[in-house]
Order: sequence, then structure tokens, then C-alpha cells
Amino acid sequence: TQLLEQSPQFLSIQEGENLTVYCNSSSVFSSLQWYRQEPGEGPVLLVTVVTGGEVKKLKRLTFQFGDARKDSSLHITAAQTGDTGLYLCAGAEAAGNKLTFGGGTRVLVKP
Amino acid sequence: ETGVTQTPRHLVMGMTNKKSLKCEQHLGHNAMYWYKQSAKKPLELMFVYNFKEQTENNSVPSRFSPECPNSSHLFLHLHTLQPEDSALYLCASSQVEGAGYTFGSGTRLTVV
Repeated sequence: TQLLEQSPQFLSIQEGENLTVYCNSSSVFSSLQWYRQEPGEGPVLLVTVVTGGEVKKLKRLTFQFGDARKDSSLHITAAQTGDTGLYLCAGAEAAGNKLTFGGGTRVLVKP
Repeated sequence: ETGVTQTPRHLVMGMTNKKSLKCEQHLGHNAMYWYKQSAKKPLELMFVYNFKEQTENNSVPSRFSPECPNSSHLFLHLHTLQPEDSALYLCASSQVEGAGYTFGSGTRLTVV
């Protein structure tokens, strides 16, 4: 059983559409991070959220940390083909603890 | 260039070979990690080093042997691997454990 469950596992949309991916857990995290991994490369850190209820925006990407710090979501507005990739969430249960990664959501944005 | 460099990018080895993967970072990070990424499976943590000391061995078979000679370099020595060990091996570093990771581009390993 994964500590962090990501859904959906796979998402295929047309360019210009919006999408949301979710990261859920029964555990409380002191911080949660989102990464994007493109084929043939390592994951790249997009954002870190640390406060319950926090919302961070990165251009067309909006990240939200749940009030109870057990879940998070990533919303992409007007998706572009460059948004294609594997989106990973990762959480640390306490400061200084190693990260636990979710299974990832594979996003395909078609032109 | 992410700040974490892994070599080689691709490696094909026989089951009786011995090879090593190298990871280098000059970000001033104190923690370094080895992860295994197989198709359709989550990232699997293999080893953690903090200030050059191994702090985690996640039940990794002894055919994988890590080495951290200094805080900037991390190696993964491989010997008598199995075909199921074929995967993308990722190195990462962070300022401290749990902080944002910087990943390398990985080594795509194929065991034949």
C-alpha cells in the first residue's frame, strides 16, 4: 500500500483543456512537493507547499495543499503539449525525513 | 544541466559484468540518494547518504553496492545483476533530507 496515492494514473487531453491531478494520503505531511518528469530525464521540482490550505501558482499551474496537510492537487489551465510528462507528488512526514513518492500521473496533451 | 550529473546515460551489461554508476553534484547539498525507476512502478528508494554517511539501505540486494567518498560524489557499484534489475537509476541530492530534491538525468541500465 502506497503512502501517497495519485489519481488518475493516466490522463489524455487536448491542447487548451484544463486538468487536475490529485495526491492523497491518510498521513499528515510537514511538506509536499510536486515534480514533473519528461521521457529520458529525471524529475524536476515544480513547487513545495508547507502550510495547510496553501495555494501556489506557477504560470498556468496551480498547486493546493489540503487544510489537514494530507492531500494536494495540481491544476493546469489551458494545457499545452509541453505539459506532457509524469507528474509526481512527494511528501515528508517531518522536517528532515526522507521523501515518500506517489506512483505518479502520466499526462499526455495532444495537439 | 540540472546540477546533478550522472554517467553513463546508458549502460548495457551482462549478468557476469561489474560496472559502476557515477553521480556528481556541486550544489553544496549534504544528502544524496539512489532511486530505481522501473516501468509502471513508483520510484523506489535504494540508498540515502547524509554528510557522506549511509543512513538508509532500503533492503537492497548486495549485488548493488553504494559508495560515497565525499559529499559531492556518489557511486553505485553493480555486479552479477539480473535482467529484472534493468531500469532507470536516478541519483538525487538535497540540502537536507526532505528538502526539495535535484535529480540527475539518470542511467538507463539494461542487463542482458
